[in-house]
Amino acid sequence: NAGVTQTPKFQVLKTGQSMTLQCAQDMNHEYMSWYRQDPGMGLRLIHYSVGAGITDQGEVPNGYNVSRSTTEDFPLRLLSAAPSQTSVYFCASRVQGVYNSPLHFGNGTRLTVT
Amino acid sequence: TQLLEQSPQFLSIQEGENLTVYCNSSSVFSSLQWYRQEPGEGPVLLVTVVTGGEVKKLKRLTFQFGDARKDSSLHITAAQPGDTGLYLCAGEGFGGAQKLVFGQGTRLTINP
Repeated sequence: NAGVTQTPKFQVLKTGQSMTLQCAQDMNHEYMSWYRQDPGMGLRLIHYSVGAGITDQGEVPNGYNVSRSTTEDFPLRLLSAAPSQTSVYFCASRVQGVYNSPLHFGNGTRLTVT
Repeated sequence: TQLLEQSPQFLSIQEGENLTVYCNSSSVFSSLQWYRQEPGEGPVLLVTVVTGGEVKKLKRLTFQFGDARKDSSLHITAAQPGDTGLYLCAGEGFGGAQKLVFGQGTRLTINP
């Protein structure tokens, strides 16, 4: 019963490096999203997707790219990492089209950019 | 942009005491969800309130949705060390892509 799986769990990058945070879910959820969590800021939405081939920006999209080629996977790409992107990143999915459905979260990726 | 303000941000109390956490906004939400997060894990849903004035109970936890659907509260009776964690409220708007907006969180510590 995997749910939402995120890899890696920890990552250290140098400024300017690029990387992809992986997210996969096995619940057949059409809605998937990426949040970043910083102290005192709660969870802020980066990008989201309501189905394969459809993505849109959240409140803090700058510096991040996403794509959704399959229902299961929703990778988050950092094109040129900056220290301001040091954070804990969470991927979450939910049933699309059903109000009040819960978000199912992965266990997060802790990213440090030096 | 819809914003949710949670208070207090930090709360440390003794086992057996009662406490209330507040989640306030100037925006109206179709529903509010409360999540709890343990260290090293993602948030997990506790409850969803959908009707103005609604009250839901989960053992010693009581959740209330304001009549105007702009605010919510979480009350814990006789807190226990196992209640320690980060509590997050999240509001869902009307229409659109069902994005959830989160409050800043309340870090609760219950001391034995």
